Amino acid sequence: NAGVTQTPKFQVLKTGQSMTLQCAQDMNHEYMSWYRQDPGMGLRLIHYSVGAGITDQGEVPNGYNVSRSTTEDFPLRLLSAAPSQTSVYFCASSWGGNSGNTIYFGEGSWLTVV
Amino acid sequence: TQLLEQSPQFLSIQEGENLTVYCNSSSVFSSLQWYRQEPGEGPVLLVTVVTGGEVKKLKRLTFQFGDARKDSSLHITAAQPGDTGLYLCAGVKRGGSRLTFGEGTQLTVNP
Repeated sequence: NAGVTQTPKFQVLKTGQSMTLQCAQDMNHEYMSWYRQDPGMGLRLIHYSVGAGITDQGEVPNGYNVSRSTTEDFPLRLLSAAPSQTSVYFCASSWGGNSGNTIYFGEGSWLTVV
Repeated sequence: TQLLEQSPQFLSIQEGENLTVYCNSSSVFSSLQWYRQEPGEGPVLLVTVVTGGEVKKLKRLTFQFGDARKDSSLHITAAQPGDTGLYLCAGVKRGGSRLTFGEGTQLTVNP
C-alpha cells in the first residue's frame, strides 16, 4: 500500500532555479491537492485538482504551477524559486471533495531556497 | 487572521495528565476534522465531526463539535508519551468546498 508518494524528500535550490515536486497516488482518488506548511501557519492550500485535466488555485498559488494529465500524478512546479518558498510541501488525495472525506497525505518534501 | 484559531499553540505536560485543545472560529463549518502529525510525516486523520453537539471517542481521545458548529475541542485523558505530536484541526465552511487548517497545537508528553 503505497498511498501518496512524494519525491524528493529534501531539496536545496538556489534563487531563480526551477524544479518539480512529484506526487503520485495509487488509490484512484479523483481529488488531489498541494499544501505548504510553515511554522505557526498550519497548512495552506496551493493548488488542487478535482480530476484529470482539471486544476484550480488555492489560497497561496503564486509562484507555483500544476498539471493533472493522469488520475495518479499531480506534480507541482516552481518556475523561479524564491527564498519565500522555503517550506515543507505536502501532497494529498481523497475520493471526493474535502467535506467529510478522509484525506491522505504524503510524507512531505522539505525545500530550502538559498 | 486565521479562520480557525487553535489554543494553546504549545503544551508540555507530564504523563498521566489530562488536557484539552481548542479549535475556534467565528464561521460555521459543515464538517470539522482533527489530524495528528508526527515529525517527518504528513498529517493523519483522527476523526471527522459533522453534526452540531456531536461527541466522538477514540480510545483516550474525546472530540466534540460545538452546538453552533463554530468550534471543536479535543480532550486527552491520561496522556502518554506516544500522544506527542502536532494536532491540527481543519474544517470546510458551510457552503464552501476548501479545507482550511488551524495553525496547530504542539503537544509534548514527558515520561
